[in-house]
Amino acid sequence: KQEVTQIPAALSVPEGENLVLNCSFTDSAIYNLQWFRQDPGKGLTSLLLIQSSQREQTSGRLNASLDKSSGRSTLYIAASQPGDSATYLCAVGYRDDKIIFGKGTRLHILP
Amino acid sequence: NAGVTQTPKFRVLKTGQSMTLLCAQDMNHEYMYWYRQDPGMGLRLIHYSVGEGTTAKGEVPDGYNVSRLKKQNFLLGLESAAPSQTSVYFCASRKRDRYNEQFFGPGTRLTVL
Repeated sequence: KQEVTQIPAALSVPEGENLVLNCSFTDSAIYNLQWFRQDPGKGLTSLLLIQSSQREQTSGRLNASLDKSSGRSTLYIAASQPGDSATYLCAVGYRDDKIIFGKGTRLHILP
Repeated sequence: NAGVTQTPKFRVLKTGQSMTLLCAQDMNHEYMYWYRQDPGMGLRLIHYSVGEGTTAKGEVPDGYNVSRLKKQNFLLGLESAAPSQTSVYFCASRKRDRYNEQFFGPGTRLTVL
C-alpha cells in the first residue's frame, strides 16, 4: 500500500533556529514530490516541487531534498521566523496521477 | 487571474439536505479534483476530471456526485448529506502534462448536523 508518513506530527522551535521536517514514502516509484504549506483555515500553497530525477530544490530559506532509494524527503527551513508557523504537507505523486498526501507537520515558531 | 476559487466558503447543513459546491479555475487547466481533508486523515481524493464532460471516482466517492459541464467549472454535489461528510473540501486543478502540480482553492468548510 502506498503511504506517506510525516514525522514529527508537531514541532515547536525558538525563532532563529534551523529545522528539518521529514517525509517518508513506501513506494519509491515516484514521479515527483511536493511540499505544501497550509495556514489555519486556508488552502494549500506549493513551496517546492522535486522531480524524481532531482536530488534537491531550493527557494529562499527553504531547501527540499529527495532520496528515492530510501523513500525519504526532507524540508529544511533556515533561520526560522514566527511567520513560518503553519502546517507543512508532503505530497508524493505517481505516474498514474495518484497523489498521496502525508498528514502534515504542525510547526510553531516561538518568538 | 483568480486561480482556483470555491463557493461557498462555509456551509451548515442538516442531515438529509442537499447542496452543490462550485469550483472554478481561470488557468485553462484540463484536470480538476475534489478532495476532503479531515483531522488525522490527510487529504483524500473524492472525484476527479480529466476534461470537460468526463469524471472519475477517487478514493472516497460514496455519497458524492460531480459534473464537469464546462472546462473551467467542477461541481461537487451531496444529494443527502450525512454527519460523516462534515469536512473541509478542497478543489484543485492542473495542466494535462504537469503531473502532481496541482493548484488548490481556499476550501469550503462544511458542517452537517
